[in-house]
Amino acid sequence: GAVVSQHPSWVICKSGTSVKIECRSLDFQATTMFWYRQFPKQSLMLMATSNEGSKATYEQGVEKDKFLINHASLTLSTLTVTSAHPEDSSFYICSASWRGGVTGELFFGEGSRLTVL
Amino acid sequence: AQRVTQPEKLLSVFKGAPVELKCNYSYSGSPELFWYVQYSRQRLQLLLRHISRESIKGFTADLNKGETSFHLKKPFAQEEDSAMYYCALLDEGAQKLVFGQGTRLTINP
Repeated sequence: GAVVSQHPSWVICKSGTSVKIECRSLDFQATTMFWYRQFPKQSLMLMATSNEGSKATYEQGVEKDKFLINHASLTLSTLTVTSAHPEDSSFYICSASWRGGVTGELFFGEGSRLTVL
Repeated sequence: AQRVTQPEKLLSVFKGAPVELKCNYSYSGSPELFWYVQYSRQRLQLLLRHISRESIKGFTADLNKGETSFHLKKPFAQEEDSAMYYCALLDEGAQKLVFGQGTRLTINP
């Protein structure tokens, strides 16, 4: 099946620094990638949708200058948390879909846990 | 507005008992609904979609437009069914999935 890989799996950083999380589709071309944030024991909160080669579409309330998303190729999307603060600590998950895939079927990465000190 | 509601955060049943995870939706168009599952220490994955009318791992889900529901059912729960279950609705216009809050299912031996 289609595999989506995230890197790093976990990262600890100091407040004020920026952190980049990568999301790769390993065996398919992801036309659309989604970035989510998940708080402990809570649902997935969609942050943004990114289509290859175009600007990401952010959900209401998500600061696009803080959470920079780049989808430069059909197999890679990156999320950069700029000037991270402790409240940005969370589990970030990406998912991807592809044009020939089943409608509504998303392939999820394993998630990246960010801890900001 | 598109919305998916899973009223139960936690659900605990005994092995061999029937299980039903509730899901209600709000959508103005023709809904496409899904159930995703996340087992312990694993990534989220698609369990089933209503269009397929399939049974996966003994689970079925029927779309009831009158009640705007898409409950997930299994007649005899197994311990390996313990997981987090998310109901999701495809927002066709925005081309994204809207997820419910999730239900953590625990099957007791």
